[in-house]
Amino acid sequence: GEQVEQRPPHLSVREGDSAVITCTYTDPNSYYFFWYKQEPGASLQLLMKVFSSTEINEGQGFTVLLNKKDKRLSLNLTAAHPGDSAAYFCAVSPYGGSGNKLIFGTGTLLSVKP
Amino acid sequence: EAAVTQSPRSKVAVTGGKVTLSCHQTNNHDYMYWYRQDTGHGLRLIHYSYVADSTEKGDIPDGYKASRPSQENFSLILELASLSQTAVYFCASRDNPNTEVFFGKGTRLTVV
Repeated sequence: GEQVEQRPPHLSVREGDSAVITCTYTDPNSYYFFWYKQEPGASLQLLMKVFSSTEINEGQGFTVLLNKKDKRLSLNLTAAHPGDSAAYFCAVSPYGGSGNKLIFGTGTLLSVKP
Repeated sequence: EAAVTQSPRSKVAVTGGKVTLSCHQTNNHDYMYWYRQDTGHGLRLIHYSYVADSTEKGDIPDGYKASRPSQENFSLILELASLSQTAVYFCASRDNPNTEVFFGKGTRLTVV
């Protein structure tokens, strides 16, 4: 079944720096991709969803890039600020089958220092 | 705003005891999930359901049962709780496979 590898597990940057988190997946039939943010002690909040027809999505302060050829999904926080400190998870949803499960990466704990 | 409510929010259970975690959603979603979160493992799928009165095994179902008595309610049952089941448990729902998953706030379970 689908496997999702997320790197790095920990990331520490200075305020204003960029931060890049990458996920690679194995199932070429994966069709829907998500990034979630989890603040300490809280639940997961959706940052962005990306579908197979989209390669670059821009949100507030971040960019998501999907490379289907390399089966890679990345989240780029362009100018990180302390409020971005949290755990980030990618999630991959294979198309059809598999009970329509959402497979998560192992997470990246981001620390943004002032 | 989609709403997924979990209860209890935290629980301490004794090894060998029975634990029931409850989840209620008001989203009118067909799909519901139970995930477990451990440090360094992200979220792992325990059980899920896409229709009332039916449940499916996820990736780590051993030691857990699930029950979906109605569209709104989905329970996770630990018949004989073990130390290794200490974790944070998240319930989630989604409308269909193409949409985002909405998460509850989590239940912190400690088995002693």
